[in-house]
Amino acid sequence: AQSVAQPEDQVNVAEGNPLTVKCTYSVSGNPYLFWYVQYPNRGLQFLLKYITGDNLVKGSYGFEAEFNKSQTSFHLKKPSALVSDSALYFCAVRDQTGANNLFFGTGTRLTVIP
Amino acid sequence: GAVVSQHPSRVICKSGTSVKIECRSLDFQATTMFWYRQFPKQSLMLMATSNEGSKATYEQGVEKDKFLINHASLTLSTLTVTSAHPEDSSFYICSARSMTSEYYNEQFFGPGTRLTVL
Repeated sequence: AQSVAQPEDQVNVAEGNPLTVKCTYSVSGNPYLFWYVQYPNRGLQFLLKYITGDNLVKGSYGFEAEFNKSQTSFHLKKPSALVSDSALYFCAVRDQTGANNLFFGTGTRLTVIP
Repeated sequence: GAVVSQHPSRVICKSGTSVKIECRSLDFQATTMFWYRQFPKQSLMLMATSNEGSKATYEQGVEKDKFLINHASLTLSTLTVTSAHPEDSSFYICSARSMTSEYYNEQFFGPGTRLTVL
């Protein structure tokens, strides 16, 4: 069974500071991991994914994520936060069996303080 | 490319009526589409997976007679909430899996539909 945990409901960071949004996963087999962002009353926008290869994955809007197999983590990071980064962030893992569904974490609300 | 649209974006209806939500993949074909439901400040809950030309597969606890899903073509899936009640009020998001070579097996999300049942 696949599962994703986002231990923080809320993350606050000052504008210009680095940000980290945490995600840990549990899968059987190789993990396919994703980060999505959701703005109010909007659908999900893809940020980045890890399938294989380099552990550091670069994505949209300056975000990156580091895959750490030993810690089963896939934390989202950005060197310098913008106020416009304030949104709801979801980590997801793809089911490698059956219909290849995406399973989402509970989401982390990021607030960047001016 | 790889855009998914939903219509309507917002709908308000009276209790007991039925509401249809359309999900379209605009520039790619999608043999598989997904319907999610999202409650305020919560994650997305997968309701069902639909494959073009076949019956949808519903997740446990989702009433298939209440949430009718039709996936009649490679670019269109519809979700009909039948006899809607206030507890059905939610944000419904569809997703389509691309089968094109450029975005093979990637999943793209629609902008969502806010349903309010009075």
